[in-house]
Amino acid sequence: QVQLQESGPGLVKASQTLSLLCTVSGGSISSAGYYWSWIRQHPGKGLEWIGYIYNSGSTQYNPSLKSRVSISVDTSKSQFSLKLTSVTAADTAVYYCARSLNKYYDPWGQGTLVTVSS
Amino acid sequence: DIQMTQSPSSLSASVGDRVTITCRASQSISNYLNWYQQKPGKAPKLLIYDASSLQSGVPSTFSGSGSGTDFTLTVSSLQPEDFATYYCQQSYGIPFTFGPGTKVEIK
Repeated sequence: QVQLQESGPGLVKASQTLSLLCTVSGGSISSAGYYWSWIRQHPGKGLEWIGYIYNSGSTQYNPSLKSRVSISVDTSKSQFSLKLTSVTAADTAVYYCARSLNKYYDPWGQGTLVTVSS
Repeated sequence: DIQMTQSPSSLSASVGDRVTITCRASQSISNYLNWYQQKPGKAPKLLIYDASSLQSGVPSTFSGSGSGTDFTLTVSSLQPEDFATYYCQQSYGIPFTFGPGTKVEIK
């Protein structure tokens, strides 16, 4: 059974870069047809899709974040990563990684809270 | 962007009740509509994909219907573990967007 686990700093200073890793276990990150995604949830709010990467390295991003976001994959480590540059308080959120098939998400990681401090 | 709305934003119900949540898209999304359940402090869990397909392991008390712009999630008999927030999500076009959620509370 595939499991995902986010890791990374829980506190990032404003204007710096947020970097998170998602480690995939119990299955291959190279499996055909699966996309590896990042989604965030602002405190007490709804869900926002950030972007995804396919194991070939092709990516798609939310246009609202596209200038600041990059997602990469390391198949040798069964990991994919998120980088978000020039963060502000508005980027404070719980960040989830998830596997997607046909653009629906299952399973999800447990989520990690990232707070942007001034 | 495709805007998703949900109604109601919250509801109170009793165990055993039949509950229906509505999701509406700002444009036609065919059947590219998914439903998730989220409990406090937990990640969302996929319930229904492609509008009406039940995810493996999800109780058959959950069902989804609709196409185009209007969709519904129905819980035929609410169980204690079903009290949660429910989100719809369109997978028709980038950016994939979620509804604002419907919180189901105990009456």
